Amino acid sequence: AQSVTQLDSHVSVSEGTPVLLRCNYSSSYSPSLFWYVQHPNKGLQLLLKYTSAATLVKGINGFEAEFKKSETSFHLTKPSAHMSDAAEYFCAVSGGYNKLIFGAGTRLAVHP
Amino acid sequence: DAGVIQSPRHEVTEMGQEVTLRCKPISGHNSLFWYRQTMMRGLELLIYFNNNVPIDDSGMPEDRFSAKMPNASFSTLKIQPSEPRDSAVYFCASSRQDENGYTFGSGTRLTVV
Repeated sequence: AQSVTQLDSHVSVSEGTPVLLRCNYSSSYSPSLFWYVQHPNKGLQLLLKYTSAATLVKGINGFEAEFKKSETSFHLTKPSAHMSDAAEYFCAVSGGYNKLIFGAGTRLAVHP
Repeated sequence: DAGVIQSPRHEVTEMGQEVTLRCKPISGHNSLFWYRQTMMRGLELLIYFNNNVPIDDSGMPEDRFSAKMPNASFSTLKIQPSEPRDSAVYFCASSRQDENGYTFGSGTRLTVV
């Protein structure tokens, strides 16, 4: 069965410093992996996705993620945090029929 | 493209009343998903449809919940009777079958008092 574990429920960074949000996955076959962002009182927006092409995936707003099969990880990074990045971030893995299984989420706080 | 459209955005109802949430998927998308989001349980997949046919409703909490998709452009999630523990944000999402990942609507915030 497919599942994802987001290793941190909260991450706090200063503006201008790097962001690292960690996600480990479990899948019985070669997975498709996703990161979504949710700003307060909004729906989820797709940041980026990995679908067995390049292992380093670039997304919107300067985010990127690297698929590491040996570590079963798909961590999300950004070189320099901006105040507008404060939001909740969800990692997800694909199941059958395009079904997505989401992690519990990581709340990112960005301080001036 | 107007995206996935959900209505209403907010719903406040009294316990015991029937609640109907509505979703219009993106044109051309043939998979539709209903999720519920709460602080305690996070994002839960309730039910999903493929080509208007329910594929898996194992996430529907109990018989008070039902979902329909009468055509490719419309789906409803109904709760009858509603209870305070149903208070949550309900999201609809859609995708094309050959495409990974999907597009979410803005959600319906349901409060049952």
